[in-house]
Amino acid sequence: AQSVTQLDSQVPVFEEAPVELRCNYSSSVSVYLFWYVQYPNQGLQLLLKYLSGSTLVESINGFEAEFNKSQTSFHLRKPSVHISDTAEYFCAVSLGDKLSFGAGTTVTVRA
Amino acid sequence: DADVTQTPRNRITKTGKRIMLECSQTKGHDRMYWYRQDPGLGLRLIYYSFDVKDINKGEISDGYSVSRQAQAKFSLSLESAIPNQTALYFCATSEPRTGDETQYFGPGTRLLVL
Repeated sequence: AQSVTQLDSQVPVFEEAPVELRCNYSSSVSVYLFWYVQYPNQGLQLLLKYLSGSTLVESINGFEAEFNKSQTSFHLRKPSVHISDTAEYFCAVSLGDKLSFGAGTTVTVRA
Repeated sequence: DADVTQTPRNRITKTGKRIMLECSQTKGHDRMYWYRQDPGLGLRLIYYSFDVKDINKGEISDGYSVSRQAQAKFSLSLESAIPNQTALYFCATSEPRTGDETQYFGPGTRLLVL
């Protein structure tokens, strides 16, 4: 069995400030890890993923996440956020044929 | 055009009514999924299908049924809707033969059961 914990449900942040969204998972075997983003009134879009190889993965819009096997974490970071980053972010873990999702973290970027 | 489409996008229905949500995809993926999203709970898996002849229950299948009419179509039915089925419903697809478990989501159907 596996579960995903997103440690913060709401993260308010000022524009151009850094942000970190924390995600921990429980699994005794190797997994694939994902971050999805849901902009207001839209579906989920893949932000980035870790399948294998380098433990640091990056997205095209400046987000990065680091897989830490010993701490079973996959935290998401961005050094400088924009208003357009306001969204809900979901961490997900894949083991075999299904994804388990965290409860989500709502990021609100203020000017 | 979107790769994964869902109809309707919004629906209001009454308790006890039967309702069907439809999902179509043009990605050619074998696997399709139905989730519901509730505030503070993330996404929970209702049903999933690996191909037309293979359908499996997810963690919250009670009160729901599905039909995989073709590789590209996967429908979710609420036989007798109840208010606690009010939620945002998402369809998703994946193709693990690519060596990747990424799922691709439709835009969602917002359902209100009165």
